[in-house]
Amino acid sequence: AQKITQTQPGMFVQEKEAVTLDCTYDTSDPSYGLFWYKQPSSGEMIFLIYQGSYDQQNATEGRYSLNFQKARKSANLVISASQLGDSAMYFCAMRSFSGNTPLVFGKGTRLSVIA
Amino acid sequence: EADIYQTPRYLVIGTGKKITLECSQTMGHDKMYWYQQDPGMELHLIHYSYGVNSTEKGDLSSESTVSRIRTEHFPLTLESARPSHTSQYLCASTEGGRSPDTQYFGPGTRLTVL
Repeated sequence: AQKITQTQPGMFVQEKEAVTLDCTYDTSDPSYGLFWYKQPSSGEMIFLIYQGSYDQQNATEGRYSLNFQKARKSANLVISASQLGDSAMYFCAMRSFSGNTPLVFGKGTRLSVIA
Repeated sequence: EADIYQTPRYLVIGTGKKITLECSQTMGHDKMYWYQQDPGMELHLIHYSYGVNSTEKGDLSSESTVSRIRTEHFPLTLESARPSHTSQYLCASTEGGRSPDTQYFGPGTRLTVL
C-alpha cells in the first residue's frame, strides 16, 4: 500500500523568503512518481512539479524545486522567493507505475505568506 | 495542460433532490476521477474510471453513482441529496500509460444541500 505523509498542517513564511514543505512517502514499488499540487482559496488544483523515482536530478520548475531523497523516502517542495500569491494549500501525491492505481494524496499543508 | 470542464460551478439545492454534476474533458484521456473535498481538508477519491464502460469505487464510501458512456464525459449523480453531501467535488483526468501521467483537475463544483 502507498501512503503520503505531510506533517505540517500549517506554515508561515515571510515574503521573499524560501520555504520547504515536507512530504514523506511509503511504497514498496520500485517505480513511482511524486507530484505536488497547489490549491488556492478558489478551490482549483494546480499541478506544480513532478519527480520520477528513477530521475537522477531533482526536479525544478521556476521558483519550485523538489528536494528528492530516495533513501529517506522524502520529496520536499521548496518554494524560493515566496510571494503573497503563494498562500494556498499544498498537496503532495504519488502514483506507483507498477500497477494501475490512482494517485494517493497527503492531507496537505496550508502555507501563509506574510508581507 | 488538460482542458477539463465541470458544471455547475456552484449549486445550492434542497434535501431529497436528484442532481448530476457534469465533468468533461477534451484531451481524449482514458482515466477520469471524482474527488470529494471539504474546504481546506484532504481529498477523498470517490469514483474513478479507466475507460468507457469501466467504473470503480474509490476509498471513500459514497452514495453517488457515476457512468462512463463516452471517453470525454464522466458525470456523477446523487439520487437523493442530503446536507451531508455538502462539499466540493473535483473531477480529474490523466492520459494513462506513459509516466509521468500527470493528473489534471477541473475547476470543481461547490455543492450546498439545505
